[in-house]
Amino acid sequence: QVQLVESGGGVVQPGGSLRLSCIASGFSFRIYAMHWVRQAPGRGLEWVACMNFDGSDIQYVDSVKARFTISRDNSKNTLYLQVNSLRPEDTAVYYCVRDAFGSLDSWGQGVLLTVSS
Amino acid sequence: DVVMTQSPLSLSVTLGQPASISCRSSQSFVHSDGNTYLNWFHQRPGQSPRRLIYKVSNRDSGVPDRFSGSGSGTDFTLKISRVEAEDVGLYYCMQGTHWPWTFGQGTKVEIK
Repeated sequence: QVQLVESGGGVVQPGGSLRLSCIASGFSFRIYAMHWVRQAPGRGLEWVACMNFDGSDIQYVDSVKARFTISRDNSKNTLYLQVNSLRPEDTAVYYCVRDAFGSLDSWGQGVLLTVSS
Repeated sequence: DVVMTQSPLSLSVTLGQPASISCRSSQSFVHSDGNTYLNWFHQRPGQSPRRLIYKVSNRDSGVPDRFSGSGSGTDFTLKISRVEAEDVGLYYCMQGTHWPWTFGQGTKVEIK
C-alpha cells in the first residue's frame, strides 16, 4: 500500500533552516507529482509546493517563494523541502502528499516544524 | 488566487440524519483539459486528511456511498446522506486547477 513517511522536523530559531524529507513506498514514485501541504496548530490546510514527476515543473505558494525549495530524488523515492529564512508563521505540521487525478490522494502522517526563539 | 469559502463552518448533526456542506469559489476553475478539479477531504482529530471526493463527484475507493459530491461553476456541495459517528471531524474543499491550489476554511462536523 502507499506509504509516505516524513522526517526532519524540529524546533528552529527564526531565520534558521531545515530540510524535511519524505520517503515513499508502495507505488512508482518516479511517475507521480508530489506536494507539500502544511497545517498550522489549530488552523486549516495550506498548500505549499508541488513538483512534477521529473522535476521540470515546480510551483510554490507566494508566502514561501524564495525561501523554500522543493526537490526530489527518484532513485531514492524521496521528496524534500528545504526551508530557509524561517518565520514563526511557518510553524506547522508539514504533510507530504501524492498527486493522483490532479488531486491530493495519499497523505503522510506529517512532521512538525516549530519556529521559535 | 481562487478563494474557497465553505459554509457552515460548524455543523451539529443527529446520528442517521443528513448533512450538507457548501463550498463556493471566487471564480470558476474549469481546467483547460475540461475537468473541474474540486476535491473534498475529511480530517479526523489527530489524523492526516483523507480525500473523499475528486473532480467534483468521484468518490475515492473505500469511501462509503453515503458521501456524495455535486456542483458546477462556483458552487459545490458535499452531502452525507446519513451521518455516522465516524464522520465527525473537519471537512475541507480544495481547488486544484489554478496555482496556488487553495483550500476552504474547513467545516467542523460534530454529533448532536
